[in-house]
Amino acid sequence: GAVVSQHPSRVICKSGTSVKIECRSLDFQATTMFWYRQFPKQSLMLMATSNEGSKATYEQGVEKDKFLINHASLTLSTLTVTSAHPEDSSFYICSARERHLSSTDTQYFGPGTRLTVL
Amino acid sequence: QKEVEQDPGPLSVPEGAIVSLNCTYSNSAFQYFMWYRQYSRKGPELLMYTYSSGNKEDGRFTAQVDKSSKYISLFIRDSQPSDSATYLCAILRGDRGSTLGRLYFGRGTQLTVWP
Repeated sequence: GAVVSQHPSRVICKSGTSVKIECRSLDFQATTMFWYRQFPKQSLMLMATSNEGSKATYEQGVEKDKFLINHASLTLSTLTVTSAHPEDSSFYICSARERHLSSTDTQYFGPGTRLTVL
Repeated sequence: QKEVEQDPGPLSVPEGAIVSLNCTYSNSAFQYFMWYRQYSRKGPELLMYTYSSGNKEDGRFTAQVDKSSKYISLFIRDSQPSDSATYLCAILRGDRGSTLGRLYFGRGTQLTVWP
């Protein structure tokens, strides 16, 4: 199957700092990438949908100025958590939708990034 | 009402048991159905994908869809300790031409298979 990577896998930062998370599709082009967050024992919560070359579409309740998303190429999307606070601590997961699929609309998920804000 | 409902469990079974995982959904516009497996502290991996009512089999896994009841299931035969994970159902709307392709996830069912 297609491979999606995330970097870093784990980050610990001080309150007030900004953290950037990268999501890459390694062996396919992704016109659309999705960013989720997941709390312990909870399901994935969609934060935003990112289309290459355009502004991200944020879900209701997600602050676009706090969670900056850039999708500059067909293989890379970044999520920047600005002025992070302890309540932003979570597991952030990206997924990528393969371009020109003929039979499926499958999303491939990255391994996730665990963010801890002290 | 949530778009997708899934019993979070936890579910604990002995090795070799048949496991049944289920989800219900509310919107008949949903036409594509997936099951993902997520190990602790990892991203979800796609297990099964189907778009029609009926059964789809892949090794020990069978995905079943009943669109008339808006009910989907995943069966695991001869369950193994390595199957211990959280299983998430996910559903996609029928507008495949959309560039959004948003998935709606269930809460996930935590499964433990003990030796």
